[in-house]
Amino acid sequence: QLQESGPGLVKPSETLSLTCTVSGGSLSGTYWSWIRQPPGKALEYIGFIFYSGSTNYNPSLKSRVTISVDTSKNQFSLKLTSVTAADTAVYYCARGGGTFDPWGQGTLVTVSS
Amino acid sequence: EIVLTQSPGTLSLSPGERATLSCRASQSVTRNYLAWYQQKPGQAPRLLIYAASSRATGIPDRFSGSGSGTDFTLTISRLEPEDFAVYYCQQYGTSLGFPFGGGTKVEVK
Repeated sequence: QLQESGPGLVKPSETLSLTCTVSGGSLSGTYWSWIRQPPGKALEYIGFIFYSGSTNYNPSLKSRVTISVDTSKNQFSLKLTSVTAADTAVYYCARGGGTFDPWGQGTLVTVSS
Repeated sequence: EIVLTQSPGTLSLSPGERATLSCRASQSVTRNYLAWYQQKPGQAPRLLIYAASSRATGIPDRFSGSGSGTDFTLTISRLEPEDFAVYYCQQYGTSLGFPFGGGTKVEVK
């Protein structure tokens, strides 16, 4: 199971930070991803991290995204800098680095002053 | 970057009918690495199909995927009440963005 956590409200120009906690299994040996969905819109891949730390990011977000992993806590994290209203979305974490299964329940992050 | 176009935007059908959803890629999908997901309101997406035609674990056999190259299809042979949802295709043949399509909503007629 995967569970996202973090602030639900972030101010414009600040950094969005989310954590995904994986329970019932280890992070080892696989890829872990972040995907987002603006309200009423389609899904957008953000990036993935391999348990060893190698990463892949969506080119459209690459300059603002960092994904990290903490295997001791069975967690991986997302940081998105310089956010704007366009970054308002439900953020999902998921297992996988190509196909995504399973997914966390998602957490809504609103960018607003 | 590959762009995925799904059609129709909305499909209005009755339970028991057959649903045919289309996903067209702007360029050929490497190794037919095309996936389909189902999303119900307020829920996270669920993987249905990977590699164009392989069903994910626990997915009923009324769901089938087909296609290759740039044209892919998701078919639901007989719609059950729980199948009314939004369906997304996604390519993962190249690691440049893993784009999703815009979605097809299957609604009750």
